[in-house]
Amino acid sequence: DVQLVESGGGLVQPGGSLRLSCVASGFSISSYYMTWVRQAPGKGLEWVANIKQDGRWIFYADSVKGRFTISRDNAKNSLFLQMNSLRAEDTAVYYCAREANGDNDYWGQGTLVTVSS
Amino acid sequence: QAGLTQPPSVSKGLRQTATLTCTGDNNNVGDQGAAWLQQHQGHPPKLLSYRNNKRPSGVSERLSASRSRNTASLTITGLQPEDEGDYYCAAWDSSLNVWMFGGGTKLTVL
Repeated sequence: DVQLVESGGGLVQPGGSLRLSCVASGFSISSYYMTWVRQAPGKGLEWVANIKQDGRWIFYADSVKGRFTISRDNAKNSLFLQMNSLRAEDTAVYYCAREANGDNDYWGQGTLVTVSS
Repeated sequence: QAGLTQPPSVSKGLRQTATLTCTGDNNNVGDQGAAWLQQHQGHPPKLLSYRNNKRPSGVSERLSASRSRNTASLTITGLQPEDEGDYYCAAWDSSLNVWMFGGGTKLTVL
């Protein structure tokens, strides 16, 4: 079965950093684009970033550009999101998702990031 | 980055038909179509329809997706209580190189 498990969320002060991880099982991420999507409490979905299979093509939402870095380790079947200069508005559940044929077909359960003093 | 436009809420009766809409432009919905996702409270989103309007394995045949120009639609027939939830459309914008989500539609089955 395809599974995605995120970790690394937690409470962080404004201006701080966190590194999220997403470990995949049941498939090899080396064959897929991978994506991070977030959802603020009570709000809709917001795309954060995605990364091509070999890591050479990376795209970011304007809201995180220059602060967040998406990366992957295909050998460890893992996806990462390094988040720096965190702001209160970054508070959200962060989901990783697999992109198959251009669509996000499998999603993890999410990890909650809370930015607050 | 402007998102896709969805009505905030739709209410229909049990066993009725609901049609949810998602409007974008030529660079996103009008280009490669929109995917549809369902989310229940406290759970991650679930893909209901690919951008080519095909259903993933295991998704009910009561759901069908279509597109006309820059508007994508998801039609759910024979509404059941489990169809209640939040529905999102998603499309890649080939001009901005970003994924766009609609604001979501809350479907209530009366």
